[in-house]
Order: sequence, then structure tokens, then C-alpha cells
Amino acid sequence: DTAVSQTPKYLVTQMGNDKSIKCEQNLGHDTMYWYKQDSKKFLKIMFSYNNKELIINETVPNRFSPKSPDKAHLNLHINSLELGDSAVYFCASSQPSGGGLYEQFFGPGTRLTVL
Amino acid sequence: AQSVAQPEDQVNVAEGNPLTVKCTYSVSGNPYLFWYVQYPNRGLQFLLKYITGDNLVKGSYGFEAEFNKSQTSFHLKKPSALVSDSALYFCAVRDKYNFNKFYFGSGTKLNVKP
Repeated sequence: DTAVSQTPKYLVTQMGNDKSIKCEQNLGHDTMYWYKQDSKKFLKIMFSYNNKELIINETVPNRFSPKSPDKAHLNLHINSLELGDSAVYFCASSQPSGGGLYEQFFGPGTRLTVL
Repeated sequence: AQSVAQPEDQVNVAEGNPLTVKCTYSVSGNPYLFWYVQYPNRGLQFLLKYITGDNLVKGSYGFEAEFNKSQTSFHLKKPSALVSDSALYFCAVRDKYNFNKFYFGSGTKLNVKP
């Protein structure tokens, strides 16, 4: 069973379009994340939700809007796509424990290419 | 600012030789440090973490890491490298004030040659 899954795996679209990426985890974790990995493999956090509540919102353009319908799902909607949005987007989840000493489980990634 | 640095973009090692992937951190107080591995076209996988206690931490696939407070380092090590260890390795540190936030290094590509 896939612990953290993302759809689609690949997404190719034109500039100006709106697209969504979906993420689901079956680990029972309370916290989910979206990360962006650029072409140089640099990984940066974008958003984090804990039990459907937004807890981290990094400096990300307003065109990016996360939504968590329940604690097992975290979707990412992107409006008016730009060339610079091309990257691999990773979803991750984790389960807080005492002192927050937990690791993250990552999905396989969604490779977004904006033409 | 809190951060980790991986000074080497790439590390090359022959199979059977010991390997070291370097990581230094910049966090005041006691850091919570992690290592992850990313295989091609895959998500990151957790390898090990340092919380407190023994400076030598053992993790998955025979990897270990040594925490050195005086040198602010958390280098990843393995006594005998395998070709299958070839991958991208990331060091990460947890934010001191926000337990849900992590800072990742730039990654080090490990190449193990037969």
C-alpha cells in the first residue's frame, strides 16, 4: 500500500492555465506538507496543515492555494501558471510526537512543466 | 537564520570503500537533525535522525551519522559503500521554534562506482 500518494505524476500545461495536484496519505498522520523542488534539487517548504488547519504558509505567490478537506488529503491548486512554476512538487506527512521529534514521509512527486 | 549546508554537490566513492556525506548546521541550542535519501524519480526517504543522546546515530541501510556539536556537523557515513547507495542525499534541521518546519540542505549526489 502506498503511504503517501500524489496525482498526477506528470503535468504538462500551458502558461496561464489553472491546475491542481492531489495528495493523500493513509498513515493516519495529522500533519501534511507541500514542498517545491527546483531544477537544482533545492527543496523548499511551501505549506503545512495540521488536522486541516493551515500552520505554515511560506512566501509563496497567492496563485498557490492549498486545501485540506480532511486530514488525510492535501491538495494544491495553482492559478495562472507561469514558467517559473515548473518544478517537482512533493507532498509529505508526519505524525507529531512528544517534542515534535518526527520524520516526514514523502510522496513520489508531481513533475509540473509549464510551456 | 537556521539552516543546514552540504558543502559537496557530489561525492564519488568506489564500492566497498567507506563513504562520508558532509552536513553542517546553523541552529542555536540543541538541533534536531535528519538525513533523507532520494532515488531518481522518487520522493525522499527517511534515513536517520539525531535528537539527543549518543552522538553516533544508526539508521536504515547500514548508514550512520555522527553529531559533533563543537564542529556543528552531522556527517552521514557508511563503512562499506554499495552501488545501490548511489542517490541524492539531503540533510535537514527542524526549526527551533516551529516544530512543523524543516530546512533542507542543497543535496549531495553520491556516486558509488563498481
